[in-house]
Amino acid sequence: DAKTTQPNSMESNEEEPVHLPCNHSTISGTDYIHWYRQLPSQGPEYVIHGLTSNVNNRMASLAIAEDRKSSTLILHRATLRDAAVYYCILRDRDAGNMLTFGGGTRLMVKP
Amino acid sequence: EPEVTQTPSHQVTQMGQEVILRCVPISNHLYFYWYRQILGQKVEFLVSFYNNEISEKSEIFDDQFSVERPDGSNFTLKIRSTKLEDSAMYFCASSSQGRGPTYEQYFGPGTRLTVT
Repeated sequence: DAKTTQPNSMESNEEEPVHLPCNHSTISGTDYIHWYRQLPSQGPEYVIHGLTSNVNNRMASLAIAEDRKSSTLILHRATLRDAAVYYCILRDRDAGNMLTFGGGTRLMVKP
Repeated sequence: EPEVTQTPSHQVTQMGQEVILRCVPISNHLYFYWYRQILGQKVEFLVSFYNNEISEKSEIFDDQFSVERPDGSNFTLKIRSTKLEDSAMYFCASSSQGRGPTYEQYFGPGTRLTVT
């Protein structure tokens, strides 16, 4: 899987939107962008994925740059429960079974 | 909502002992995985399992490790002779698909293994 770069940590205020960036300048045309998060003392949890178009689900939105070299996970209204480590992972069509986790971004949410 | 469950939540064992970590994947899933996370470090892939066979494994998954699906619901990870460096959180995961870039994996809450 191609490499991703994320800030180590970010802070947000409760009930405000949060934009979590991910750079993936070496992304290939067939790489999908996946986001997982890991709440404290829990296993990773799938959040969202996309290829080219922006995606929305009940948890978040994924905005993908036109050149696909970066993406942003958007939490529309951060809650205390959203405090977690967020991982941006690229997966290509020949991807094996494994997910390759990097260091992720630790999101802290202030009340 | 269906979920992956793991038992025990915490296992303490002495170096050299065998441990078995247990997982119940989501019932209609066919692909199963083990990952581990040493305290303060990244989540690392260990092994994937499909159709009663290992489909992929990492360098971490050496001869000390084995996996098994002993019945229709459980998926186990065995460490034959534990070492201090095996102390970690072990996560089981499952998915309905196993190849390609679009499926998601569902993780359990983990088993904390402490080797003394």
